Amino acid sequence: EIVLTQSPGTLSLSPGERATLSCRASQSVSSSYLAWYQQKPGQAPRLLIYGASSRATGIPDRFSGSGSGTDFTLTISRLEPEDFAVYYCQQYGSSGTFGQGTKVEIK
Amino acid sequence: EVQLVESGGGLVQPGRSLRLSCAASGFTFDDYAMHWVRQAPGKGLEWVSGISWNSGSIGYADSVKGRFTISRDNAKNSLYLQMNSLRAEDTALYYCAKGVMVVSPPDYFDYWGQGTLVTVSS
Repeated sequence: EIVLTQSPGTLSLSPGERATLSCRASQSVSSSYLAWYQQKPGQAPRLLIYGASSRATGIPDRFSGSGSGTDFTLTISRLEPEDFAVYYCQQYGSSGTFGQGTKVEIK
Repeated sequence: EVQLVESGGGLVQPGRSLRLSCAASGFTFDDYAMHWVRQAPGKGLEWVSGISWNSGSIGYADSVKGRFTISRDNAKNSLYLQMNSLRAEDTALYYCAKGVMVVSPPDYFDYWGQGTLVTVSS
């Protein structure tokens, strides 16, 4: 089973700052089958990125994904107040494992 | 508008059974794989099970294999999860999620329901 490790566990930033979230896989993720989700308290997760770098429908362009193989990154270019949430990566090349999440909190 | 509405959760004793349902609308249900993903209280996400559009391909997480059974009824636009031999560690919010990949599982999920809570406790 592919294990995904997200870092950092918590990111404390101010609105307007850039956020860089990391997702590292224990083995190569085939065909860059890597997705990112955002989850706010009391809500279901929302798909942000699929295929490592493709934005889902309706996702603002301040969200971008990159990476391949075992190292992937989600970047939020300028944090808006509504972006403070927990972010999960998920690989779907082999089974469907999730990372443990990164919480982006207001500094 | 895509809607996924889960039901069937509740409090159940260890070793007992429960059946979850998910009613889908707003898309052509029998064109897509469907999945169950769970989230224990205060914890992360865990994929539980998925089923292809025609029920020809089914997958389970190791943690539920042999105890849970996924199924679907395309005529009723509904997804199900039969959960047997429930354990305390199965306590979680269970989400129904729509898949995207042509070949699934595995898959990623573009729409999610609001979840139904399953609590396993004596």
